[in-house]
Amino acid sequence: EPEVTQTPSHQVTQMGQEVILRCVPISNHLYFYWYRQILGQKVEFLVSFYNNEISEKSEIFDDQFSVERPDGSNFTLKIRSTKLEDSAMYFCASGVNQPQHFGDGTRLSIL
Amino acid sequence: GQNIDQPTEMTATEGAIVQINCTYQTSGFNGLFWYQQHAGEAPTFLSYNVLDGLEEKGRFSSFLSRSKGYSYLLLKELQMKDSASYLCAVRPPAGKLIFGQGTTLQVKP
Repeated sequence: EPEVTQTPSHQVTQMGQEVILRCVPISNHLYFYWYRQILGQKVEFLVSFYNNEISEKSEIFDDQFSVERPDGSNFTLKIRSTKLEDSAMYFCASGVNQPQHFGDGTRLSIL
Repeated sequence: GQNIDQPTEMTATEGAIVQINCTYQTSGFNGLFWYQQHAGEAPTFLSYNVLDGLEEKGRFSSFLSRSKGYSYLLLKELQMKDSASYLCAVRPPAGKLIFGQGTTLQVKP
């Protein structure tokens, strides 16, 4: 079964540094999403992406965040200047009319 | 506003049946999803309801009543490996998923 793949599985970064999280969505899916889950809390929507542009974003997705589809397969989430509170699991997902399938996530730890 | 409620924790015995309830109030509705999440892992899709009624999938069934804003996930013949968090998520028309807090199920021998 096709999978959403994410890299790296774990990223440790100093506060204030930029970080890029990478995702390869399922190939025939057109909608892509980023979610995050702070330890012990619920999964929260960050942003959705369709046709090479953001279709919706949450209040969490401020100007420190950006997304890109630099080529035909990768989908990236960039945090420009990380804060301690950005420490969380970040999940990429794809699909819309079909159930969304999640990648294994990137655990981001900000020191 | 958007609100999804489910019990925080439940305990059940191996071999038994457990029902996990979810109530929701959202702006628009285009489907309700149940996901399973083991600690430290990604959510895994279990079931999907968009019309009222029961969807059965092996040991798992999910029910939806749109007029009541209510769903449940039914797990039969519980196994130890079913110990996990079960996430109720609603999809508004725009496509994103709005998740509840999750119900942590502990299955005991």
